[in-house]
Parts: sequence; structure tokens; C-alpha cells
Amino acid sequence: EPEVTQTPSHQVTQMGQEVILRCVPISNHLYFYWYRQILGQKVEFLVSFYNNEISEKSEIFDDQFSVERPDGSNFTLKIRSTKLEDSAMYFCASSKTDLPYYNEQFFGPGTRLTVL
Amino acid sequence: DAKTTQPNSMESNEEEPVHLPCNHSTISGTDYIHWYRQLPSQGPEYVIHGLTSNVNNRMASLAIAEDRKSSTLILHRATLRDAAVYYCILRDAGNNNDMRFGAGTRLTVKP
Repeated sequence: EPEVTQTPSHQVTQMGQEVILRCVPISNHLYFYWYRQILGQKVEFLVSFYNNEISEKSEIFDDQFSVERPDGSNFTLKIRSTKLEDSAMYFCASSKTDLPYYNEQFFGPGTRLTVL
Repeated sequence: DAKTTQPNSMESNEEEPVHLPCNHSTISGTDYIHWYRQLPSQGPEYVIHGLTSNVNNRMASLAIAEDRKSSTLILHRATLRDAAVYYCILRDAGNNNDMRFGAGTRLTVKP
């Protein structure tokens, strides 16, 4: 069964450093998403991406964040200058459509980001 | 966005049915009711969704009240693997992409 994959599983970085989190969505999906979950808290939407453009973003997704689909398979989240509060589990997701009557989002296993 | 209210936690015995409630009294006519779950140390996983009619799939059933102000996710025979946090999420047909998770219900399944 096809699945969303994410690398690395755990990333440790120093405050102020740039990090890139990588995701490979399911191959025939067109919509891509990033969510984050701070330890012990709820899952929070960051951004959605379609046709090489951001379609929606939350208030969390500020200028420090960017997303890119550099090739036909990868989808990346970049944090330019990490802060302690960016420490969280980051989940990538993908879906075939954006129609809510048929829009099952498939989530990856997550990347745990630890900012020291 | 219309909000949902779920109990913080529930317990069930293995192989017994589980009914997970969700209140959404401010639901609009175009809101779809989606359920996801998050197993320990994993990403969220789709369970089921519906609009007005009750729905069944291989994982669960979704019972939607006639006035749509509440719904219930039904696991017919809970297994230990069903221990997870279950999220009830409303998704507006006109605002498709962002999925707003609440705190969900943490289901504990006892052997």
C-alpha cells in the first residue's frame, strides 16, 4: 500500500540554524500539507500546497517557513532560523483532491525536530 | 470555523463496542464530519467521514444525528490496536485544505 515517507525521523539542530524537512508524498497525489505537533499538544495545520503554490497557510507559517516541491517526488519544509519553540513533530500529508466529500489525507510518520 | 467538543478520554474493554461522541452544535450545512485517529508515536490516520447519512467502512461506523449537531464514531469490536486519540473534525466544503484538529478523545482499551 502506498505511503507518505519522511526523512529524517529525528533532526537535532542548534537555535538559529536552518533545517529542511523532507517528505515524499504518495505518487498520484496532487495536494500536499505540513502539520506540526508540539509534545503533548494538538496537531496544528501549517500549510497546504497545490500546483506549485501555497494554497492556504496558518498564522504559524510565518516568514521563517517556506515550502518547495523541488522535483516530481519530494516536498520540503524549510525553517530558516530555528527557535526553541520550533521543537515539535512535523507531519507531512498528501491527498488526491481537495474536495471534502472525498479528501482523505494520508500522513507520514513525522520528523521529530529538536532545537537546542 | 465550527467547533467540535469531545470527551478528553474514554475507556473500553477489548472486543466490546465503543461509542465515541462528538458535539458540533454550530455545524453549517456544508460542513463534512471527518474522523481521524492518532496511534501512539504515529501520524494521524483517516477513519471515516460523512455529511448527513450514517456511514460504514471496514474500520468503523459513523452515526450522524438527524439535526447534525452531534455524531458518534462506533468501533464495533475494540482491539488493543485501537488505543489512540480520536479526532472529530468539521471540514467546510468551501474551505477544503486546512484541517483543524482539536484535543480529541484518548481511547484506552483494556485487555
